[in-house]
Amino acid sequence: GENVGLHLPTLSVQEGDNSIINCAYSNSASDYFIWYKQESGKGPQFIIDIRSNMDKRQGQRVTVLLNKTVKHLSLQIAATQPGDSAVYFCAERRRQTGNQFYFGTGTSLTVIP
Amino acid sequence: SQTIHQWPATLVQPVGSPLSLECTVEGTSNPNLYWYRQAAGRGLQLLFYSIGIDQISSEVPQNLSASRPQDRQFILSSKKLLLSDSGFYLCAWSNWGETEAFFGQGTRLTVV
Repeated sequence: GENVGLHLPTLSVQEGDNSIINCAYSNSASDYFIWYKQESGKGPQFIIDIRSNMDKRQGQRVTVLLNKTVKHLSLQIAATQPGDSAVYFCAERRRQTGNQFYFGTGTSLTVIP
Repeated sequence: SQTIHQWPATLVQPVGSPLSLECTVEGTSNPNLYWYRQAAGRGLQLLFYSIGIDQISSEVPQNLSASRPQDRQFILSSKKLLLSDSGFYLCAWSNWGETEAFFGQGTRLTVV
């Protein structure tokens, strides 16, 4: 995937505030975009996905926004909690050759109590 | 319920030694299988992808190979490890057409 060699950007937020994590993508052939959360020493876990023909999807305390014009994806976490501290990855699914998932660089979120 | 097992959790190997990491999935059939590598503090790089037994695609040229001898078994191998092979290796599975991939706990490989 793109940008896997870059160091993680970081984001620090106060507990209770909203968090916004951003992701840029380059491949217009992706049919789904997905957000994953990775806690230290563990494998990533699925949070939410959004189909490429949508611009917004909401889950429990999370909202994903997709702007195809500028190829930008964001994850908004409402009322951020200490348990939200983790690395967050956006991923693209490209169906033209299979069911592969390509991950972005990731953002390290730290919640300050 | 479906589970994914990946082992070992940690591994320290000398340069030039062989490698074999194993991943098995339970509770599902004909899963899509993936091997990813994550360098320290960086993103996940897709190494191999498999849609079925002996059907494997390599995403990047490298010192590693993958095999799928059984439907729910995925093996990552190397004949001779390089220092640059160090990293956190993650196995994952998904159902065809679905967007959620399920990851194993990972293997932290250090080549010395």
